[in-house]
Amino acid sequence: DAKTTQPPSMDCAEGRAANLPCNHSTISGNEYVYWYRQIHSQGPQYIIHGLKNNETNEMASLIITEDRKSSTLILPHATLRDTAVYYCIVRDIFGNQFYFGTGTSLTVIP
Amino acid sequence: EAQVTQNPRYLITVTGKKLTVTCSQNMNHEYMSWYRQDPGLGLRQIYYSMNVEVTDKGDVPEGYKVSRKEKRNFPLILESPSPNQTSLYFCASSYSTGELFFGEGSRLTVL
Repeated sequence: DAKTTQPPSMDCAEGRAANLPCNHSTISGNEYVYWYRQIHSQGPQYIIHGLKNNETNEMASLIITEDRKSSTLILPHATLRDTAVYYCIVRDIFGNQFYFGTGTSLTVIP
Repeated sequence: EAQVTQNPRYLITVTGKKLTVTCSQNMNHEYMSWYRQDPGLGLRQIYYSMNVEVTDKGDVPEGYKVSRKEKRNFPLILESPSPNQTSLYFCASSYSTGELFFGEGSRLTVL
């Protein structure tokens, strides 16, 4: 499975959109992009995933570039409870290993 | 309620004393895996299992054993724990092609 690169930390003002980037330049055609977040030392929580098309659910939106080498997770109206570490992962549809890396620590500022 | 349950949640032990961290899921998932999390190193995979009696090494398997005799259970065994295995451990499960569901974590300290 390909690996990902994320900025180590970001700040976002409460109520504004948080845009978290991820580079996955070696992604292959059958690999999905997944996003998880971890609040304090709790178990990571699934947010969203996609293959080629942009995706949206009740938590976030996922924008994947046309060449699929990067993606952006968008939290449309960040709240203080969105302060967490966000992980971008790529996984083959039949893949066995998830490489979480060190993620992006997002701090939402009042 | 769909969940992944780990026990114990907290454990302090001594070097060389065998211990087992249990993991159980109630979602009939085929795939289960163990991770350890250390400051600055993120989540690293220890072992995973694609189904009953099928297990394989992840990135950091040294010092650990696992078994998958039943679909719902995937215990992590430390035969002779050492201080460098002090860490926060997570168990996770999923359908073969789905997202991972994580347990609440087990914080292990080896003295």
